[in-house]
Amino acid sequence: DTEVTQTPKHLVMGMTNKKSLKCEQHMGHRAMYWYKQKAKKPPELMFVYSYEKLSINESVPSRFSPECPNSSLLNLHLHALQPEDSALYLCASSQVGEQFFGPGTRLTVL
Amino acid sequence: AQKITQTQPGMFVQEKEAVTLDCTYDTSDPSYGLFWYKQPSSGEMIFLIYQGSYDQQNATEGRYSLNFQKARKSANLVISASQLGDSAMYFCAMREYGSNYQLIWGAGTKLIIKP
Repeated sequence: DTEVTQTPKHLVMGMTNKKSLKCEQHMGHRAMYWYKQKAKKPPELMFVYSYEKLSINESVPSRFSPECPNSSLLNLHLHALQPEDSALYLCASSQVGEQFFGPGTRLTVL
Repeated sequence: AQKITQTQPGMFVQEKEAVTLDCTYDTSDPSYGLFWYKQPSSGEMIFLIYQGSYDQQNATEGRYSLNFQKARKSANLVISASQLGDSAMYFCAMREYGSNYQLIWGAGTKLIIKP
């Protein structure tokens, strides 16, 4: 199984909502990532969970918070987002080589 | 300074022709890896090919090959016999081995295959 799954595929939320994005991998990878991608731009790394240690991109606002319930799951909790947070959110996992990506969640913040 | 440079924002290529997408990189780490990813309009980021800095031979995966010129710090992707389904955004990325697995991305090249 070489798949990374993400739910939901699409999400529309208001600025006062709380929602979560989910990511799961069953490849036994020890590193998982959240990326934000705006149209026609490369992905920007938000968080890395590697060997149970969280690394944070310092520029990511606190309205995004990651949670790693176990080694195969990585959630991204969203709270009080802004319209500029509308983007494609990609999850990925890796062992020591290439990163494998999920299909992404297209998030729209109204 | 940019560590990964993709100089072609967009390319149009006739179907069945070969395509070369350019990528140059900059690093002082002797141990690094170079990756190419394809992103169709659906959004999923698809891994295509990998080249390690110590690999003696150029990587190949089916119709994809990586033209690795270490002294010139270039890692161009070659797609042979292009197909309509190759139309997508292509990203070059690098991982330095001291970097906690983080990828450095190029700006991407939008490839359109014409029938």
